[in-house]
Amino acid sequence: GAVVSQHPSWVICKSGTSVKIECRSLDFQATTMFWYRQFPKQSLMLMATSNEGSKATYEQGVEKDKFLINHASLTLSTLTVTSAHPEDSSFYICSATSGLGTDTQYFGPGTRLTVL
Amino acid sequence: AQKITQTQPGMFVQEKEAVTLDCTYDTSDPSYGLFWYKQPSSGEMIFLIYQGSYDQQNATEGRYSLNFQKARKSANLVISASQLGDSAMYFCAMREGPSSGTYKYIFGTGTRLKVLA
Repeated sequence: GAVVSQHPSWVICKSGTSVKIECRSLDFQATTMFWYRQFPKQSLMLMATSNEGSKATYEQGVEKDKFLINHASLTLSTLTVTSAHPEDSSFYICSATSGLGTDTQYFGPGTRLTVL
Repeated sequence: AQKITQTQPGMFVQEKEAVTLDCTYDTSDPSYGLFWYKQPSSGEMIFLIYQGSYDQQNATEGRYSLNFQKARKSANLVISASQLGDSAMYFCAMREGPSSGTYKYIFGTGTRLKVLA
């Protein structure tokens, strides 16, 4: 159980375009989903926390208008990188919690974004 | 101040031997959770083990055990009988809160483990 999928697993796009990344909890209802960014050989940097049906809470320094997060249902959250630039190239990884028990975060496999 | 500290950027262990990965934490919240995740080169974060702040016994999951010393605020991961497939990055994480209705998770900087044949 506790499987989280993420799509796409990798994407290459041109500078100025927008990219949407989907995060789905496959076998549980995710009351909360998190979006992280990870640079090579570094730890995870939390970008935002989203609860189903409400606006995402962004961490300090993360641009809300650039990284649009939508948590439309208990199994789906999307991250849209708008007007992507080369400096947005990174590994983006989502996680989900059910809000039950130990409230363990289960992670998706990540999306590697390269902006040319 | 760092809330989660992993002091070992890299570790080597011989196959079939045990290894301990260190993690110390800092919180004033009486209720918290501690997690260990494994991140192989593929990038996925794999949940390994959980320890609650009120748990009396150390958590164990197969070859993984968590050496929880609450007074010292440490939550070291012990991997017994290391296998080549254990080579990966390992992250310690803490859950605090909830604050404003949402838990906050904090990750350490990670320890890269290399298992030698």
